[in-house]
Amino acid sequence: QVQLQESGPGLVKPSETLSLTCAVSGSSISSGYYWGWIRQPPGKGLEWIGSIFHSGRTYYYPSLKSRASISVDTPKNQISLKLSSVTAADTAVYYCARHGGKYSSSLYAFDIWGQGTMVTVSS
Amino acid sequence: EIVLTQSPGTLSLSPGERATLSCRASQSVASSYLAWYQQKPGQAPRLLIYGASDRANGIPDRFSGSGSGTDFTLTISRLEPEDFAVYYCQRYGSSLTFGGGTKVEIK
Repeated sequence: QVQLQESGPGLVKPSETLSLTCAVSGSSISSGYYWGWIRQPPGKGLEWIGSIFHSGRTYYYPSLKSRASISVDTPKNQISLKLSSVTAADTAVYYCARHGGKYSSSLYAFDIWGQGTMVTVSS
Repeated sequence: EIVLTQSPGTLSLSPGERATLSCRASQSVASSYLAWYQQKPGQAPRLLIYGASDRANGIPDRFSGSGSGTDFTLTISRLEPEDFAVYYCQRYGSSLTFGGGTKVEIK
């Protein structure tokens, strides 16, 4: 059974860099799927941040591309998210998820999700 | 960028009733790369439908998706108590966007 677990600081100061990791268990991160990050501000909808393949190929949401960086650590079987120059608007629950469509050249729907981790941006 | 508009914002229904949720795209969605998710309070979203009409693993057949191009629909044939939640549509492919969500609440 594939499971994803997000972790990282729950509080980040404005202008600093938010850093999160997503540990994957029950499957190799090199098994042919894309892995992604999604966030959800309190009481609001879902926003895709970006996705990565184990080769390092990445896709980003255009409005976050300048501040977001997603990387993969194959030996640790995890992916990471860094979001720079954060403001209060970046306060959200951050989810990692697996795209379906093994070995697909496109990004498929998210078929497996982590439980999410809340990050608050505040001084 | 394709914008997805979901309607209505809130749907008030009773258990046993039929729910019809709409998702309209600002441009045609290629290859019907349209998915639907269900989200309950405090939980991660769960994939219900992909490819506009294919049910994900373990999803009851009371959930069905239809549509193509710019107009898509999620139908719940008979609402069960556990179906009251927020539903999101999503376009995927070379990029991803989510709709704003429809809340299905108990009338």
